[in-house]
Amino acid sequence: ETGVTQSPTHLIKTRGQQVTLRCSSQSGHNTVSWYQQALGQGPQFIFQYYREEENGRGNFPPRFSGLQFPNYSSELNVNALELDDSALYLCASSLALQNIQYFGAGTRLSVL
Amino acid sequence: GIQVEQSPPDLILQEGANSTLRCNFSDSVNNLQWFHQNPWGQLINLFYIPSGTKQNGRLSATTVATERYSLLYISSSQTTDSGVYFCAGTVLGGTSYGKLTFGQGTILTVHP
Repeated sequence: ETGVTQSPTHLIKTRGQQVTLRCSSQSGHNTVSWYQQALGQGPQFIFQYYREEENGRGNFPPRFSGLQFPNYSSELNVNALELDDSALYLCASSLALQNIQYFGAGTRLSVL
Repeated sequence: GIQVEQSPPDLILQEGANSTLRCNFSDSVNNLQWFHQNPWGQLINLFYIPSGTKQNGRLSATTVATERYSLLYISSSQTTDSGVYFCAGTVLGGTSYGKLTFGQGTILTVHP
């Protein structure tokens, strides 16, 4: 059984660019959630996808968007990058909407 | 949204010492989880404990749901226990079903 995998592990972008982060959910899991963790803070919920539909969103602007694919993998897209978008982005998968969430190792994004 | 308060914010121990980490919630939560974040950023699941007591080796956790708090006990600490410990939960009856709200974490440092 494979765990949650994220790619890439590290990424450097410049302000104004766009970025796509990827997440493969744990085998059998149908729900994916994305979190942003700034340095020294706890993770903050961005949004969740269940059966390819967005199911709940945190306090993030529309330039943060996502997709979930039929195999339950997911993408997080961020447009018009800002310096404050520099953070660790974590993906978590779970079997149903409220069950235990398992996290990937994250993508560390630096915006210069 | 709910507030999650973790204490203490920092904890420094000698190897072999015991410790207790606390997590208070401003509202009733379910799906309460404890995590250990390793130096590379990955969140490792320690316990899923919406109520009651669980033990796993040197670690144990207790959640008193009616009083909205949870405790994580670490006995005979080892240097490998160092890192950041987070608690998180979802709001009972909320509409953002899978939104885990995290505390700010407890930074644990264990010296040899």
